[in-house]
Amino acid sequence: DGGITQSPKYLFRKEGQNVTLSCEQNLNHDAMYWYRQDPGQGLRLIYYSQIVNDFQKGDIAEGYSVSREKKESFPLTVTSAQKNPTAFYLCASSGDRIRSPLHFGNGTRLTVT
Amino acid sequence: AQSVTQLGSHVSVSEGALVLLRCNYSSSVPPYLFWYVQYPNQGLQLLLKYTTGATLVKGINGFEAEFKKSETSFHLTKPSAHMSDAAEYFCAVSDNYGGSQGNLIFGKGTKLSVKP
Repeated sequence: DGGITQSPKYLFRKEGQNVTLSCEQNLNHDAMYWYRQDPGQGLRLIYYSQIVNDFQKGDIAEGYSVSREKKESFPLTVTSAQKNPTAFYLCASSGDRIRSPLHFGNGTRLTVT
Repeated sequence: AQSVTQLGSHVSVSEGALVLLRCNYSSSVPPYLFWYVQYPNQGLQLLLKYTTGATLVKGINGFEAEFKKSETSFHLTKPSAHMSDAAEYFCAVSDNYGGSQGNLIFGKGTKLSVKP
């Protein structure tokens, strides 16, 4: 059954630590995305990748980094430079960036204290 | 640049009543429009989409939306609400410009409550 797997579901970290969120897809999609969701703010794009070994910054990339070494995987690192990292993070993929809808994972809720 | 406005962050209806969630967009070129639904602590699921063709689009779970170019609207409706419709709904427009073409721009969401 094809889909997107995000792990872990809940993640707790101390301030000042980097943390990496996992995203794996078996949909054979070229494009992958990371969004951040905060209450009442909708979804904001952090990074996206159209193809392996290539990625672009979204609207709120500061304090985040990504890699795309494999088509199936698009991990997101939340660095200590991110001033307000506590949020719900959603990974998504799509087959055709223009017309196709996004397929979403079930998210990772990160809490930094 | 495109933008999306969802009128009403919270909407409450009674079970069996009409559901109407409003979405207006700004775009200087014909847009691609989407509605997604999110249940608590889950990802988003596509309800329906408009790309070209028929302006009345039918989606899953009995929802439909009508693209009205003159009003720059894409409101979501369902004739009769069910308790299971309680969720947050997001309208999105596809960015049609430059290098970010294809990225979705989301509205801030509308939480739908359904009263028994």
